[in-house]
Amino acid sequence: GAGVSQSPRYKVAKRGQDVALRCDPISGHVSLFWYQQALGQGPEFLTYFQNEAQLDKSGLPSDRFFAERPEGSVSTLKIQRTQQEDSAVYLCASSISGTSGNEQFFGPGTRLTVL
Amino acid sequence: SQKIEQNSEALNIQEGKTATLTCNYTNYSPAYLQWYRQDPGRGPVFLLLIRENEKEKRKERLKVTFDTTLKQSLFHITASQPADSATYLCALADNAGNNRKLIWGLGTSLAVNP
Repeated sequence: GAGVSQSPRYKVAKRGQDVALRCDPISGHVSLFWYQQALGQGPEFLTYFQNEAQLDKSGLPSDRFFAERPEGSVSTLKIQRTQQEDSAVYLCASSISGTSGNEQFFGPGTRLTVL
Repeated sequence: SQKIEQNSEALNIQEGKTATLTCNYTNYSPAYLQWYRQDPGRGPVFLLLIRENEKEKRKERLKVTFDTTLKQSLFHITASQPADSATYLCALADNAGNNRKLIWGLGTSLAVNP
């Protein structure tokens, strides 16, 4: 595809519901990142994949957060039993290789609102 | 504690002037530092990368400097245009980490007035 796409763009969930956020990276990109961005803040790292391997999940805030990339392309971020503090924009980014220092290409984000 | 700080106040400048944005860091040893632009409702867009052994990088009207002694990066936009109005984010990769995890500042809002 032309760029990184994310769906849905907006999600409203009731507290306690489970949500799944999808990321379609640029075709052929090896690395995939998930970030959480609160209003007026910079992105906060959540997790990183190289192909299908999740190499770093140190930023996931709790065990309610789970990410996967089973075939090394599309990725899903799942949040179980959502809480109000989970409300944020969730950004996905991909980069062409697994080496460090590469430009990251971002999707538009999914804005999650937990009521 | 570790932190990254950018100009907390929004920057307002006149069209044609040079905008200078600051990124200071504490208790990190950056392998490299990146600058991104973010428009409302959109994801960040990569602008420039500068590595720890580099002092300056340029790209068209953009210039980034990196001073590891001062622990500071400066981002300059020359001949600024209203279309340059956006939030600018700096992000670094720490040598103590895996160099792929980016740690981000809060961003500086720039408004270029016609």
